[in-house]
Amino acid sequence: NSKVIQTPRYLVKGQGQKAKMRCIPEKGHPVVFWYQQNKNNEFKFLINFQNQEVLQQIDMTEKRFSAECPSNSPCSLEIQSSEAGDSALYLCASSLSDWGREQYFGPGTRLTVL
Amino acid sequence: GEKVEQHESTLSVREGDSAVINCTYTDTASSYFPWYKQEAGKSLHFVIDIRSNVDRKQSQRLIVLLDKKAKRFSLHITATQPEDSAIYFCAASPSSGSWQLIFGSGTQLTVMP
Repeated sequence: NSKVIQTPRYLVKGQGQKAKMRCIPEKGHPVVFWYQQNKNNEFKFLINFQNQEVLQQIDMTEKRFSAECPSNSPCSLEIQSSEAGDSALYLCASSLSDWGREQYFGPGTRLTVL
Repeated sequence: GEKVEQHESTLSVREGDSAVINCTYTDTASSYFPWYKQEAGKSLHFVIDIRSNVDRKQSQRLIVLLDKKAKRFSLHITATQPEDSAIYFCAASPSSGSWQLIFGSGTQLTVMP
């Protein structure tokens, strides 16, 4: 069973508000991923880190989305100005740093933007 | 970029029968293929994976087959049980780059008692 912790489980924001969610990866996992799963079960990779460094991020995250994984603190994903289209399940996953390693997912943060 | 197509959006089987879910991918650089299970209201649970250096892998009742020539992989669940009912997602990841997963659209599997 995955030991990735995500908080909060549910988040409700108005349009234009900031939304912040956190993730604690499994112990010993240096790689952290953020994905967005929409109501149609479509997944979008947002960003990933190895330790504190960004490995890759999509264009979307370079604008309204920001993320960090500071040492000795939870990783976080923040949407600066929420839009209705951001309503989704945000999933954090962690893995070991080799290629082809299993990614273990947390329970997710379900964001609703009113 | 990579695209993963999951062919069955829904699948119903009788308890004890086998279920097969098929996926295809487009990028020949993809070489890691995991499968995840998602029960209603829950997160993704890793079930099994296969790497491109083999064409078959089995873990108890789960078998994954990989056909690199056809760029196709499949999940076979044998002796299905009602608790196998869930949405199953296939995914692919290239061997280079940052290891992100590209997911299929999911298959809702229902195992009828």
